[in-house]
Amino acid sequence: DAKTTQPNSMESNEEEPVHLPCNHSTISGTDYIHWYRQLPSQGPEYVIHGLTSNVNNRMASLAIAEDRKSSTLILHRATLRDAAVYYCILRGRGGADGLTFGKGTHLIIQP
Amino acid sequence: GAVVSQHPSWVICKSGTSVKIECRSLDFQATTMFWYRQFPKQSLMLMATSNEGSKATYEQGVEKDKFLINHASLTLSTLTVTSAHPEDSSFYICSVRINKPADYGYTFGSGTRLTVV
Repeated sequence: DAKTTQPNSMESNEEEPVHLPCNHSTISGTDYIHWYRQLPSQGPEYVIHGLTSNVNNRMASLAIAEDRKSSTLILHRATLRDAAVYYCILRGRGGADGLTFGKGTHLIIQP
Repeated sequence: GAVVSQHPSWVICKSGTSVKIECRSLDFQATTMFWYRQFPKQSLMLMATSNEGSKATYEQGVEKDKFLINHASLTLSTLTVTSAHPEDSSFYICSVRINKPADYGYTFGSGTRLTVV
């Protein structure tokens, strides 16, 4: 799997938007960009994924650069429950492989 | 979305004993399930891919005789840690990829915290 690079940690205030960056300069044309998050002492949770176009769902938005070498996960209004480790992972469509997790970004939300 | 149930959520066992962890896909028939391990302050590491009706595929460095995987049905995979030792203490997590009717990504269980004393 192609490698992703994320900041180790970020801090934001409650009720403010959060932009979590991810660099993936070696992404291939068929790689999807997945985001997962892991709350303390829980299994990871799917957040969003996309290929080329920006994506929105009830949890977040995913903004993908035109050259696809970077992406940004956007939490529009952070709450304390959004404090977690966020993982940006590249995956090909289909296939039967598990995910390769990097270190992710530890998001800290200040009240 | 699909729900993956993992049991138990935590277990403490004595060194040398075996522990079985169950992973159930409650509303999705999973021919493939994945097992991960996570040590404190570290990221998840894929241990093995569990295939329904056939042998599991183990990642490099994972002992298949120590971590026995059984995937006897489309909704249940089990991981048995045999002859557990304190260094096996970890957070074990299972996962399913939801690809029907569309690609919804991976769903994870809530994890099992194993402590070997």
